[in-house]
Amino acid sequence: QQQVKQSPQSLIVQKGGISIINCAYENTAFDYFPWYQQFPGKGPALLIAIRPDVSEKKEGRFTISFNKSAKQFSLHIMDSQPGDSATYFCAASGGIKAAGNKLTFGGGTRVLVKP
Amino acid sequence: KAGVTQTPRYLIKTRGQQVTLSCSPISGHRSVSWYQQTPGQGLQFLFEYFSETQRNKGNFPGRFSGRQFSNSRSEMNVSTLELGDSALYLCASSTRLAGVSDTQYFGPGTRLTVL
Repeated sequence: QQQVKQSPQSLIVQKGGISIINCAYENTAFDYFPWYQQFPGKGPALLIAIRPDVSEKKEGRFTISFNKSAKQFSLHIMDSQPGDSATYFCAASGGIKAAGNKLTFGGGTRVLVKP
Repeated sequence: KAGVTQTPRYLIKTRGQQVTLSCSPISGHRSVSWYQQTPGQGLQFLFEYFSETQRNKGNFPGRFSGRQFSNSRSEMNVSTLELGDSALYLCASSTRLAGVSDTQYFGPGTRLTVL
């Protein structure tokens, strides 16, 4: 059962534009929501993460918006650059202590930034 | 600090064989988790080890097993390989603070191909 749904599956944006990726989760016990960036042939690299006591977090050109009541969170990439072309994954973890460190991933979004 | 390292980076095996993959976590990290990444199923959690004990397990058959050593290095073993086991196997390490979901850092992965 997929507990984190991510959309869109792919995204094309012009250089300088804004990329927006959305995720929705089901398990209200989740308490940690990271975003990862993955380039072909590489492992996922942490971009930015948020906990549910905060509604927004910004790091450079990357912003997470979090809506606890709607059980949704999103990644905004401002001023998108060709080097941002990669696959982005949202994830969630938390709940009972035994499952606390297990990451449940969304399906991924392939972003292509056109110059 | 050196990142998470995984060996080997690439492996080719035939059906029915077994394979062992190795992961060295970031220095000071005591938790190691393993994930399988395939185009069809995405990123799926296999298991987590902390203090040499398996703390959490995903929905994979018993052919998938692992262990952790006293220096926090971990190995993952897959016995009786099947074609469907072809995947990128990722290792992630974290500090595993008690009762808190924390950041996991991924290695580059081991690409396993089963013929």
